[in-house]
Amino acid sequence: EVQLVESGGGLVQPGGSLRLSCAASGFTFSSYAMTWVRQAPGEGLEWVSGISGNAVNSYYADSVKGRFTISRDNSKNTLYLQMNSLRAEDTAVYYCARRAVTGLWYFDLWGRATLVTVSS
Amino acid sequence: EVVLTQSPGTLSLSPGERATLSCRASQSVSSSYLAWYQQKPGQAPRLLISGASSRATGIPDRFSGSGSGTDFTLTISRLEPEDFAVYYCQQYGSSPQTFGQGTKVEIK
Repeated sequence: EVQLVESGGGLVQPGGSLRLSCAASGFTFSSYAMTWVRQAPGEGLEWVSGISGNAVNSYYADSVKGRFTISRDNSKNTLYLQMNSLRAEDTAVYYCARRAVTGLWYFDLWGRATLVTVSS
Repeated sequence: EVVLTQSPGTLSLSPGERATLSCRASQSVSSSYLAWYQQKPGQAPRLLISGASSRATGIPDRFSGSGSGTDFTLTISRLEPEDFAVYYCQQYGSSPQTFGQGTKVEIK
């Protein structure tokens, strides 16, 4: 079955760190760029970060640049998001998603998300 | 960055009616690189439309997309009970890609 499964969310204090994972299955993971998109409670979607299939190129929203790091391990079919210096405004559900077409950043497969809560 | 404004915020309709959702961009969307997603409560978004008008695999033909430049429309020709959800547009012609704030289609 083609799917993405996120994990690693939880409650963390402001200034803390968390690492999210996204396990992919059912497709050739290394052939696809991947991304993280978040959704704050009751809000819309916000793109966070993306990474190419070979991990050479990575991209970040200004709101997380310098604090978050995206990476992937193609041997494990897993995408990661290392989140440091977390703030209350980072509270959201975090989705990983697969880029649908080479060079075009829209997304045809989404995971079920993991919840990150930043609070003291 | 390109700001997408969706209207209306909420659309109250009955099953069988036609739904017309608007997405307006703050600047022209390159090559009509606009997508639409559907999201139901507690679920991940689902890709409906890419390239402004191309339905994704498995999407019923009651969903159609149109538009170019700065004005785009998602039309649901006859609402089915499973279509009541929130719909987001996304532009991917300029970096960073951005999403609209969503339109909720609710049962009247």
